[in-house]
Amino acid sequence: GDSVTQMEGPVTLSEEAFLTINCTYTATGYPSLFWYVQYPGEGLQLLLKATKADDKGSNKGFEATYRKETTSFHLEKGSVQVSDSAVYFCALLAISNFGNEKLTFGTGTRLTIIP
Amino acid sequence: DVKVTQSSRYLVKRTGEKVFLECVQDMDHENMFWYRQDPGLGLRLIYFSYDVKMKEKGDIPEGYSVSREKKERFSLILESASTNQTSMYLCASSFGTGGLDTQYFGPGTRLTVL
Repeated sequence: GDSVTQMEGPVTLSEEAFLTINCTYTATGYPSLFWYVQYPGEGLQLLLKATKADDKGSNKGFEATYRKETTSFHLEKGSVQVSDSAVYFCALLAISNFGNEKLTFGTGTRLTIIP
Repeated sequence: DVKVTQSSRYLVKRTGEKVFLECVQDMDHENMFWYRQDPGLGLRLIYFSYDVKMKEKGDIPEGYSVSREKKERFSLILESASTNQTSMYLCASSFGTGGLDTQYFGPGTRLTVL
């Protein structure tokens, strides 16, 4: 079945550091790929997405490129801020056998940015 | 903006109690989902519904049931709560099918079963 493997946390960085959170996936067909973010005490919010190979999703300074050849969708940001502290989830969305969408999530990576 | 609301942020119940978790969305979305979130396991799909009165099992449906009598409301039911159902429960909704649509999440209900 479909699966998502993402970098285990927790990750702690200093403000203005470069961030990479790795994500690889296994799926049949051509899934859409997502990064969701969960700030403390809140539900998940969509951060960015890519729907086909070589697409780059970007939002709030974060970027991720859909790499079909390496089945990866790594999240990057050039200069992190304290406000980026959150849990980040990589996810893939594919069509189930019933023809309905199904999101499969990674286990999440907790990111803490220190001033 | 899409709004997904859940009836409680925190809930404490006793083993054997029947528990109802309610979710309401205000964007006329066809699809609604219930997940549970546990440390080290990420989010796991319990049930989903793609239309009123329709439901499909997700990856971990055991011990749960759902109800969708109106398009905007999707209820998760724990018939007889057990301690291993202590978790964060997240509801989500999305429009249509096709694999391209974002799921919008509620703030979550943290359920503790004693």
